[in-house]
Amino acid sequence: AQSVTQPDIHITVSEGASLELRCNYSYGATPYLFWYVQSPGQGLQLLLKYFSGDTLVQGIKGFEAEFKRSQSSFNLRKPSVHWSDAAEYFCAVGPSYDKVIFGPGTSLSVIP
Amino acid sequence: DVKVTQSSRYLVKRTGEKVFLECVQDMDHENMFWYRQDPGLGLRLIYFSYDVKMKEKGDIPEGYSVSREKKERFSLILESASTNQTSMYLCASSFRSEAFFGQGTRLTVV
Repeated sequence: AQSVTQPDIHITVSEGASLELRCNYSYGATPYLFWYVQSPGQGLQLLLKYFSGDTLVQGIKGFEAEFKRSQSSFNLRKPSVHWSDAAEYFCAVGPSYDKVIFGPGTSLSVIP
Repeated sequence: DVKVTQSSRYLVKRTGEKVFLECVQDMDHENMFWYRQDPGLGLRLIYFSYDVKMKEKGDIPEGYSVSREKKERFSLILESASTNQTSMYLCASSFRSEAFFGQGTRLTVV
């Protein structure tokens, strides 16, 4: 069965520091991969997605993610975090366009 | 901009009540979804619909039903609310892999 794990429940970084959020998935073939962000009191917003092709994917708000098939990972990165990046981040994986499974989420806090 | 609107941000209902959560999207998307979000569990799919009057069970459909009489509207129904259904409920519509979410309804069942 497909599954998504996000090993870090909560991460705290200083403003201006780099960020990496981990995501691992279990799926038989190459899945569709997504990262979403949820700001407090808001719905989820798509940051980026991977279907095929270049394994380094650029997203909105300066985020990028890299698909590593050998590690079954799709980690999210940002070179310099801003205070407004504090939010909940969800990795998601799906066998097709629309039916996806979400990970448990990683809560990001940013120290000024 | 795509807009997905959930009728209530906060709801408090009593155990045993029938509860309706409404969701409307304005972009003519065929696919619509209902998730519940609980701390540490991420988003879990309750029901989804690929077309009017069409519905399919997700991963946790027990205690819920849905209705999709019009393309733009997807309703989640709790037939007899219970305290374990206290949660954040998120509606989404999607097109070509991108899902657009409403702001969520925080339901408390007392």
